[in-house]
Amino acid sequence: EAGVTQFPSHSVIEKGQTVTLRCDPISGHDNLYWYRRVMGKEIKFLLHFVKESKQDESGMPNNRFLAERTGGTYSTLKVQPAELEDSGVYFCASSLAWASTDTQYFGPGTRLTVL
Amino acid sequence: ILNVEQSPQSLHVQEGDSTNFTCSFPSSNFYALHWYRWETAKSPEALFVMTLNGDEKKKGRISATLNTKEGYSYLYIKGSQPEDSATYLCARSGSARQLTFGSGTQLTVLP
Repeated sequence: EAGVTQFPSHSVIEKGQTVTLRCDPISGHDNLYWYRRVMGKEIKFLLHFVKESKQDESGMPNNRFLAERTGGTYSTLKVQPAELEDSGVYFCASSLAWASTDTQYFGPGTRLTVL
Repeated sequence: ILNVEQSPQSLHVQEGDSTNFTCSFPSSNFYALHWYRWETAKSPEALFVMTLNGDEKKKGRISATLNTKEGYSYLYIKGSQPEDSATYLCARSGSARQLTFGSGTQLTVLP
């Protein structure tokens, strides 16, 4: 069974440009999460989808970040316009059930560098 | 404790040594404690999900215990090997499904 995949693995962009990150969850997982790790700090929650609906977006830092999950399959996270402080590793995770005790399976992350 | 805290921040041990690290977390509104093993540029690998006070889980040479009343969990590695070198992350989940992570313990096992 394929795990969570993310594309691209690395992205280097100039401040003010737009970047779109993609996440493909494990097949059949309705729950999809975005997290990020900035400047070597702890991994922090951004948002949670259940199928195509945003269940919790309390961690989204500002309106420059837009997440979508059309059709309840893959998800995209767009940063527009990117700022220097957006640099970090963006992780996607998925889980089968909607329970706090359910394992969240992580992808390898997208390393974003904003110059 | 308001946040999830892990100690030590980094640790070097010799091959064959046993080691352990600590995760402390807020005990209120606690649902589960998750442990992950993460090597840079790879996916964090889920090790354990623990929910009950006194829970103890084991996977090969790695085991973990949980105390929900006082808000801590220990991760133990018996007979460390170089391939155990990684960052070990703990994360707490509450009524919200999001994981709140600690900053991790970076383990280096020297051959």
